[in-house]
Amino acid sequence: AQSVTQLDSHVSVSEGTPVLLRCNYSSSYSPSLFWYVQHPNKGLQLLLKYTSAATLVKGINGFEAEFKKSETSFHLTKPSAHMSDAAEYFCVVTLQGGKLIFGQGTELSVKP
Amino acid sequence: KAGVTQTPRYLIKTRGQQVTLSCSPISGHRSVSWYQQTPGQGLQFLFEYFSETQRNKGNFPGRFSGRQFSNSRSEMNVSTLELGDSALYLCASSLGAQAPQETQYFGPGTRLLVL
Repeated sequence: AQSVTQLDSHVSVSEGTPVLLRCNYSSSYSPSLFWYVQHPNKGLQLLLKYTSAATLVKGINGFEAEFKKSETSFHLTKPSAHMSDAAEYFCVVTLQGGKLIFGQGTELSVKP
Repeated sequence: KAGVTQTPRYLIKTRGQQVTLSCSPISGHRSVSWYQQTPGQGLQFLFEYFSETQRNKGNFPGRFSGRQFSNSRSEMNVSTLELGDSALYLCASSLGAQAPQETQYFGPGTRLLVL
């Protein structure tokens, strides 16, 4: 069965320091993986997606993620956090048929 | 292209009432999916409509229903509202090919409060 686990419910960083949001997945076939971001009182915005074309995926706003099959991980990183990055981030795996399975979310706080 | 729109953005209802939420997908998208987001349960899949037919369904009671019109717009209805139905309801649209790599685009959501 497909599932996704976000290892941290909350991450706090200082502005200008790196961001690491961790995600492990379980899938019985080669998965499609996504990261979405949700700012307060807003819908979800796609940051990036992995579809087997390249293991290092670059997304919007300087975010990137690396697919590591051996570790079943798809961690999200950014070299330098900005105050506007404060939001909730969701790692998502898709099932056959396109149904999305969401992680529980990681809330990112950015301190000035 | 305009994004996914949802109306209304906010709703307050009382227990026992029913509510209808609306979602207009991105032009050209034929699939609309609905999700419920609560602090306790996170994001949960409700159902998906494609070409006016329910194609996938999550594990929600029959009080939750939906439909899709010929222009791909979708409505979701919740009858006999319970306090636990208070949530942010998100809809997402996609082309509808059901490929795992297909991106779903989300609307801003409708926040429902049941008193």
